Amino acid sequence: DAGVIQSPRHEVTEMGQEVTLRCKPISGHDYLFWYRQTMMRGLELLIYFNNNVPIDDSGMPEDRFSAKMPNASFSTLKIQPSEPRDSAVYFCASSLGFYNSPLHFGNGTRLTVT
Amino acid sequence: KNEVEQSPQNLTAQEGEFITINCSYSVGISALHWLQQHPGGGIVSLFMLSSGKKKHGRLIATINIQEKHSSLHITASHPRDSAVYICAVRNSGGSNYKLTFGKGTLLTVNP
Repeated sequence: DAGVIQSPRHEVTEMGQEVTLRCKPISGHDYLFWYRQTMMRGLELLIYFNNNVPIDDSGMPEDRFSAKMPNASFSTLKIQPSEPRDSAVYFCASSLGFYNSPLHFGNGTRLTVT
Repeated sequence: KNEVEQSPQNLTAQEGEFITINCSYSVGISALHWLQQHPGGGIVSLFMLSSGKKKHGRLIATINIQEKHSSLHITASHPRDSAVYICAVRNSGGSNYKLTFGKGTLLTVNP
């Protein structure tokens, strides 16, 4: 199994630009999570999906952030317009089941907004 | 909200030493996760446990539900064990089902 695949690995963009992060979960996993990691706040859950349906997006910082999961093998996290404070590492993770199931993380996307 | 505290924040050891990283939490949980993150790298799930003890190679994770405490042990530490180790807990019951993460422990193992 290839594991959770994220792209790009690094993204540098200017303030105001649109950024799209991509994730391919492990085949067969029914839960997909988007996390953000910063030095100040550590890992934070942004949103998660179950069977492609968004279940809880209360962690999404503001309306500039949106996430979609059009099918079981693909999800995107979009920031429009981007701001310097969005600079962080964004992780996608998937799991088989929710409670008491191990999470499988991707390698993350390091986003820098200048 | 569960408060998750890890100690120490930073740990430096010599190759071969026995390592212990601690995690304490404030509210009852259904599960506790130990994660490993290498510098600039992805996050790997090491253990998920709700009671007792689990072992994988040189890594051992224990949890004491009554004391709300877990430890991660590394025997015969090696420089490749150098990483950030993160504890995460999921509350039991209620609507606060999200994982709460500790700030991590940075382990450096010198040859």
